Amino acid sequence: DGGITQSPKYLFRKEGQNVTLSCEQNLNHDAMYWYRQDPGQGLRLIYYSQIVNDFQKGDIAEGYSVSREKKESFPLTVTSAQKNPTAFYLCASSRGGSYNEQFFGPGTRLTVL
Amino acid sequence: KNEVEQSPQNLTAQEGEFITINCSYSVGISALHWLQQHPGGGIVSLFMLSSGKKKHGRLIATINIQEKHSSLHITASHPRDSAVYICAVKSSGDKLTFGTGTRLAVRP
Repeated sequence: DGGITQSPKYLFRKEGQNVTLSCEQNLNHDAMYWYRQDPGQGLRLIYYSQIVNDFQKGDIAEGYSVSREKKESFPLTVTSAQKNPTAFYLCASSRGGSYNEQFFGPGTRLTVL
Repeated sequence: KNEVEQSPQNLTAQEGEFITINCSYSVGISALHWLQQHPGGGIVSLFMLSSGKKKHGRLIATINIQEKHSSLHITASHPRDSAVYICAVKSSGDKLTFGTGTRLAVRP
């Protein structure tokens, strides 16, 4: 089946620890995105990558880091510098370009204790 | 003021009712998306449109570029339509700007 997978679905971490969220796609999409969703707010873009080995900061990149070593994979690391990391994180991918829709993964709910 | 505004924020309907969710935006766009988010959190893309109207099953999406407004209609609503419906616009490059969503509950 073609699609986007994120793991794990639920993640708990202690304050001060870095944590890496996985995102994999087998849609052969060039572009990948990470969003954060908080209650009462629209999704906000953290980082995006339009091609392998290249990525750009989104609107709320502080305290996060990414890599794009393979076309299929776009992991997100939530570092201890992120002041309020508890949130729902969504990964998406698209063929890229203005007229291509984005497909979303199932999300990872991160809770920092 | 948010670039993308949705109304209503919450909507409760009886099964079978016709439902309309509205989205207004303040910037020039290349495309508008309607997305559906179920309680589990996953998001499904319903429509992407840049003009006119699209229909898929009981769902209809329209957009008026001049008025910067889009509507999502659900005909013969069903409890399984209960979800959060999100409008998102693509205004520059490949990035989306999202509305805060409309939470729909359809009662049997």
